[in-house]
Parts: sequence; C-alpha cells; structure tokens
Amino acid sequence: QVQLVESGGGLVKPGGSLRLSCAASGFTFSDYCMSWIRQAPGKGLEWVSYICYTASSVYSTDSVKGRFTLSRDNAKNSLYLQMNGLRADDTAVYYCARGAPPYSSLVGDYWGQGTLVTVSS
Amino acid sequence: DVVMTQSPLSLPVTLGQPASISCRSSQSLVYSDGNTYLNWFQQRPGQSPRRLIYKVSDRDSGVPDRFSGSGSGTDFTLKISRVEAEDVGVYYCMQNTHWPYTFGQGTKLEIK
Repeated sequence: QVQLVESGGGLVKPGGSLRLSCAASGFTFSDYCMSWIRQAPGKGLEWVSYICYTASSVYSTDSVKGRFTLSRDNAKNSLYLQMNGLRADDTAVYYCARGAPPYSSLVGDYWGQGTLVTVSS
Repeated sequence: DVVMTQSPLSLPVTLGQPASISCRSSQSLVYSDGNTYLNWFQQRPGQSPRRLIYKVSDRDSGVPDRFSGSGSGTDFTLKISRVEAEDVGVYYCMQNTHWPYTFGQGTKLEIK
C-alpha cells in the first residue's frame, strides 16, 4: 500500500534552517510528481512546492521562492524540502503528498501524516 | 493566483439530511487538455486531508456514493446526499489547473 512518511520537523529560531524528508513506499516513486503542502495552526491548506521528473520541473509558491528548495532522490524513494531563512509565518504542519503520474494531471491522492515546523524565538 | 471561494464556511447539518458546499474560482479551471482539475478534500479532526473527488465529479476509490461533485468553468458544488456522523470535518475545494495550485478557505461541517 502507498505510504508517505514525513520527518525532520521541529522548533527553530527565526532565520534558521530545517530539512524535511518524505519517505515513500508502495509505488514507483520515480514515476510520480511529488508535493509539499502546509497548514498553519487552525488555518487552511497552502500548496508550497511541486517537483516532477527533473530538477527543471520544480514549482514553488511565491512566499517560499528563494528560501525553500525542493529536491528528490529517486534511488532512495525520498522527497526533501530544504527550508532556509525561516519566518514565524512558516509555522505549520507540512504534508508530503503524491502528485501526478505520467500522462496525468491528477494530484493529491495520497498524503502523509504531516510534520510540524514551529518557528519561534 | 486563482482565488477559490467557498460558501458557506460553517455548515451545521442534521444527521440524515443533505448538505451542499459551493466553490467558485476567480478564473476558468478548464485546462488546455479539455479537463477541469477541480478537487474536493475532506479533513476529519486530527487527520490528514483525504481526496474525495477529482476532475469535478470523479469519486476516489472507497468514497461513499453519497458524495457527489458537479459544476463547470468557475462554479462547482460538493453534495452529500445524507450526512452521517463520520462526515464531520472541514471540506476544501482545490484547483490544479493553474500554478500555484490553490485551495478554498474550507467549510466546517458539523452535526446539529
């Protein structure tokens, strides 16, 4: 069965860095685009970043451009989010979610349990 | 960015009664391939979101048939024919026609 397991969250000071990981299993990871989606405490959902098959196929929302870097290691079935220059408004639960398979634009059919990032002094 | 506007934001419903949530987008969600990439997600308390509906009206595997989606262009609706206790949670519409993908604000469904 498809599983996505996030890790790497925690408490960090403003301006600090964290690296989130998402370990995928139960499907051919290299075939799928992958995403990070976040949810601030008590708030709605925000699609943060999306990566497909190559490093050139990476999309990020404006609020994280230049600070967050999305990457993947297909050999390790893993997705990463390097977060630098963290701000208080980056505080959220970060979810890893499966994106589109080949020749499809269907996204978000599987989600992980989320990892909490808290930015506070 | 495409703005997704849901209504109502709070939806108290009696068990066994129908419920309906509206979602409007600030621009057409018809993609160049002719498909409309409008999704509905359910987030139960303390859980991760779960996709219920994709491409406006296609139900995901395992989703009860009391959930249905409809609409076109910029106006979409999620309907629950008979609300059950397990349907309590927040419902989000989401478009993945235009980047950045965007969600509605969420509609909190509760039992009266």
